[in-house]
Amino acid sequence: DAGVIQSPRHEVTEMGQEVTLRCKPISGHNSLFWYRQTMMRGLELLIYFNNNVPIDDSGMPEDRFSAKMPNASFSTLKIQPSEPRDSAVYFCASTTGAGYGYTFGSGTRLTVV
Amino acid sequence: KNQVEQSPQSLIILEGKNCTLQCNYTVSPFSNLRWYKQDTGRGPVSLTIMTFSENTKSNGRYTATLDADTKQSSLHITASQLSDSASYICVVSGVSGGYNKLIFGAGTRLAVHP
Repeated sequence: DAGVIQSPRHEVTEMGQEVTLRCKPISGHNSLFWYRQTMMRGLELLIYFNNNVPIDDSGMPEDRFSAKMPNASFSTLKIQPSEPRDSAVYFCASTTGAGYGYTFGSGTRLTVV
Repeated sequence: KNQVEQSPQSLIILEGKNCTLQCNYTVSPFSNLRWYKQDTGRGPVSLTIMTFSENTKSNGRYTATLDADTKQSSLHITASQLSDSASYICVVSGVSGGYNKLIFGAGTRLAVHP
């Protein structure tokens, strides 16, 4: 099992540009989570999908952030337009519906300059 | 308010020594408690997961305890190694809106020195 796969590992972009982060959950996991981690705020849940349907997006900071899960094996987190304060490590995690096997990806380190 | 508090915030120990990290939570209803290890530049990796009825669980040199009455957990690391240097995050799962919701602690940053 390759685990949760995220891409890219690192992204450096200029302020105002669109950024798309990608995630492939573990096969058979039906829940997917996007997190943001910063030194100041730790891990913050952005959005949570269950069976490809967004369940809780209360953590999405503002309208510049959007997430999609078109099928069970792929999700994207898009920031448009990006701002320097969006710089953080973004993690994707997946799990079964019962909450076991909760596995994080290696993260995408985003730097907006 | 659902909260998870960890202590100490950071810790430095010498290689070979033992240490204990603490986690207090106020999450209710409680489903399970997990300890994660996060190496620098990596995603968190699960060490242990305990449900309400479990008091202790071990994973190699890592032993987690849970007191559901006092809502406290600890992670004990025995015979520390340099590779134990990482952040250790306590995560409590509670049911909210019919779904398991994870509440993360801020983590304890452990440095093991030779």
